Amino acid sequence: SQKIEQNSEALNIQEGKTATLTCNYTNYSPAYLQWYRQDPGRGPVFLLLIRENEKEKRKERLKVTFDTTLKQSLFHITASQPADSATYLCALDRNGGFKTIFGAGTRLFVKA
Amino acid sequence: GAGVSQSPRYKVAKRGQDVALRCDPISGHVSLFWYQQALGQGPEFLTYFQNEAQLDKSGLPSDRFFAERPEGSVSTLKIQRTQQEDSAVYLCASSSKGQGSTYSGANVLTFGAGSRLTVL
Repeated sequence: SQKIEQNSEALNIQEGKTATLTCNYTNYSPAYLQWYRQDPGRGPVFLLLIRENEKEKRKERLKVTFDTTLKQSLFHITASQPADSATYLCALDRNGGFKTIFGAGTRLFVKA
Repeated sequence: GAGVSQSPRYKVAKRGQDVALRCDPISGHVSLFWYQQALGQGPEFLTYFQNEAQLDKSGLPSDRFFAERPEGSVSTLKIQRTQQEDSAVYLCASSSKGQGSTYSGANVLTFGAGSRLTVL
């Protein structure tokens, strides 16, 4: 069955450092991979999208890589800030599909 | 509206009661989705509407769960005879993407804040 794996343990880093979150998937051939941010008591908020034929995408302090051979995406936050503390969810889409599937998310804590 | 609105934000039900959760999507968004999120888990797909048509209900856990979107805008998720395992956050999302050749691209979702259901 389709499976998305994200670091189940929380990630604790110091302010100013780069946070790197991992998303691995099996039994799936996504055309798109998305990253969402979720704060406690709120719904997920879309951050970035990368297509299967793209290796890397950047948006301000965020960078996403996508390796379809390894079936893995890495999500980087550079110069991290305490306000970046949240849960980050990886999500996969097929081309023409509408059933986006989500990983369990990784909690990030950035200490001042 | 400017965003996806869900109500109620919190609902406590006694086991066996029926509940109804409402979702008001972004105006003009063709597609509407319901997800269930258990504590510490990611959202799990329940069902999908394109306009008023329910195109996929494969994620609904049992026949106690029913969703509708009669006029292609507001949607209601109804859970009959609630059980303790139904306790979760129910998230609604909408998207401008729809099925068919006129639509392309990823299914970028705009979520509401969710309805937290607690069944005692």
